[in-house]
Amino acid sequence: GAGVSQSPSNKVTEKGKDVELRCDPISGHTALYWYRQSLGQGLEFLIYFQGNSAPDKSGLPSDRFSAERTGGSVSTLTIQRTQQEDSAVYLCASSVYGAGTDTQYFGPGTRLTVL
Amino acid sequence: RKEVEQDPGPFNVPEGATVAFNCTYSNSASQSFFWYRQDCRKEPKLLMSVYSSGNEDGRFTAQLNRASQYISLLIRDSKLSDSATYLCVGGANFGNEKLTFGTGTRLTIIP
Repeated sequence: GAGVSQSPSNKVTEKGKDVELRCDPISGHTALYWYRQSLGQGLEFLIYFQGNSAPDKSGLPSDRFSAERTGGSVSTLTIQRTQQEDSAVYLCASSVYGAGTDTQYFGPGTRLTVL
Repeated sequence: RKEVEQDPGPFNVPEGATVAFNCTYSNSASQSFFWYRQDCRKEPKLLMSVYSSGNEDGRFTAQLNRASQYISLLIRDSKLSDSATYLCVGGANFGNEKLTFGTGTRLTIIP
């Protein structure tokens, strides 16, 4: 079946602009995660959605970052007033239940470049 | 100190050799551990889960040492296709399903 998809695959923006990144999880997966990966760094957790529960936003680096998940499926990560340090690959993952033992399936990522 | 620490490498290993990576974690309450593989400019993919009793999948063996808080991955009879970055992933706690990723160990298998 279809895997996790993300769009756009690449985004170049100017400092100060807002961007929206989209994630379509695997159908039926209740848990959705956003991470970012900077060059030479590990994956940094940003936010986690599980079913209808309140999302775990503890990884969002500043209030310029927000995310929503509509209808328990598609998610949008929004970065307002982008800064150069926001440049990274933003990865979305989904899992069946969100349990600690679940496999997380990653999308191909969105490479964000802030000029 | 990072929650999950790995030797970044690079490890350059001849084809057919055995290679081992270690990874340490700082959160003693962590419950679940994994090794993910990430090819260049690709997304991470699960390689294997790590169980307390140790587990083997073909040429790959994973071990967990809770007393010393480290995880290991052993690759036997390495293939060119094993070249990748291997990410150690520290467990989500019960009720907290975040995964903490190490920065990865880069492995290159040399023909």
